[in-house]
Amino acid sequence: DAGVTQSPTHLIKTRGQQVTLRCSPKSGHDTVSWYQQALGQGPQFIFQYYEEEERQRGNFPDRFSGHQFPNYSSELNVNALLLGDSALYLCASSLVTSGDQETQYFGPGTRLLVL
Amino acid sequence: AQTVTQSQPEMSVQEAETVTLSCTYDTSENNYYLFWYKQPPSRQMILVIRQEAYKQQNATENRFSVNFQKAAKSFSLKISDSQLGDTAMYFCAFKPNDMRFGAGTRLTVKP
Repeated sequence: DAGVTQSPTHLIKTRGQQVTLRCSPKSGHDTVSWYQQALGQGPQFIFQYYEEEERQRGNFPDRFSGHQFPNYSSELNVNALLLGDSALYLCASSLVTSGDQETQYFGPGTRLLVL
Repeated sequence: AQTVTQSQPEMSVQEAETVTLSCTYDTSENNYYLFWYKQPPSRQMILVIRQEAYKQQNATENRFSVNFQKAAKSFSLKISDSQLGDTAMYFCAFKPNDMRFGAGTRLTVKP
């Protein structure tokens, strides 16, 4: 049973650049959520995708955008990178139609460093 | 504001002993879900235990159990028979709509 996978594992960018992070959900899952985890802090919710639509959004600027594909995989895009965007980006998946839809399963994350 | 507070930044416990991690939250919602996640140094977030707010019975998962006090908005995690592999960051989270996490408690299990 394939778990949540994310790519790349590490990424270094410079201020002003754009970045795309990728996530494949756990086998059978249809919903993907993205989180930003700054060093020493708990994850913060960015947004959630279901049926290729943004379903919920946290308190993040429009520079953060996403996409979900028909195979349920997802991308997180961040434009005009700032130093403060340096963080671990976590993807989590869940299954809306299950009795356990509230439980999210996390990937290993992508460590982004903005210089 | 819907927030989660973990008041213990760091804790330690001797192997085989019991430890309790505290968590409180603030919400006006009546229906929500509560979770404890573990994040080892390898950084992958692993679900430890979950609790539905409408259930009065405390959840148990092997050596892990919770003490859920809805009126007090408290959701503590008890780890019995602590093992070296329990060393990790532990995050309390609750989900009224989107998932809210606390700042975490770093637990070290000492041999």
